[in-house]
Amino acid sequence: KQEVTQIPAALSVPEGENLVLNCSFTDSAIYNLQWFRQDPGKGLTSLLLIQSSQREQTSGRLNASLDKSSGRSTLYIAASQPGDSATYLCAVEYGNKLVFGAGTILRVKS
Amino acid sequence: EPEVTQTPSHQVTQMGQEVILRCVPISNHLYFYWYRQILGQKVEFLVSFYNNEISEKSEIFDDQFSVERPDGSNFTLKIRSTKLEDSAMYFCASARQPNEKLFFGSGTQLSVL
Repeated sequence: KQEVTQIPAALSVPEGENLVLNCSFTDSAIYNLQWFRQDPGKGLTSLLLIQSSQREQTSGRLNASLDKSSGRSTLYIAASQPGDSATYLCAVEYGNKLVFGAGTILRVKS
Repeated sequence: EPEVTQTPSHQVTQMGQEVILRCVPISNHLYFYWYRQILGQKVEFLVSFYNNEISEKSEIFDDQFSVERPDGSNFTLKIRSTKLEDSAMYFCASARQPNEKLFFGSGTQLSVL
């Protein structure tokens, strides 16, 4: 069964800290892995997409890595800001569908 | 920046009634999807759609569900006879090509009473 797990479930940090969100997946036959941000009551915003042949992607203060063989991905957020507070979702693409993790709820305190 | 638009933002219906959720994908996108999120649970895949056909559907997407692209811009999800357990946030998404970033709408919150 294709499952995606995210650790931790919630994280509260002071502003300015660097932090790491973890994602693991059971089926390594992936097309790609995407990290999304979800704000309360709103849709999902794609942050980064890593193709199955890639090891990492960077966008501004965000860096995502992928280790397909071990079934893991990490999202690194540098110099966190209160505006980063949101739920971060990891999703793995298998064919025509994304399988989502439950998310990490991030709170950055000012 | 182009975005996926969903209407209505909220829909309240009685059990057994039919509902149609509407989506306008990004104009040059060819691949369309519906996902849903029950309160407190994971986002779940419902169906993918390309070239006027369903590409893949989940176990959730039973005979009560259908999708349609009635014209060049709209993409709809119909639930024929709603159940209490259909209450969820329904998200439409689109992509230009497979294996590219998926763009999600803001969702329709469906409440079945």
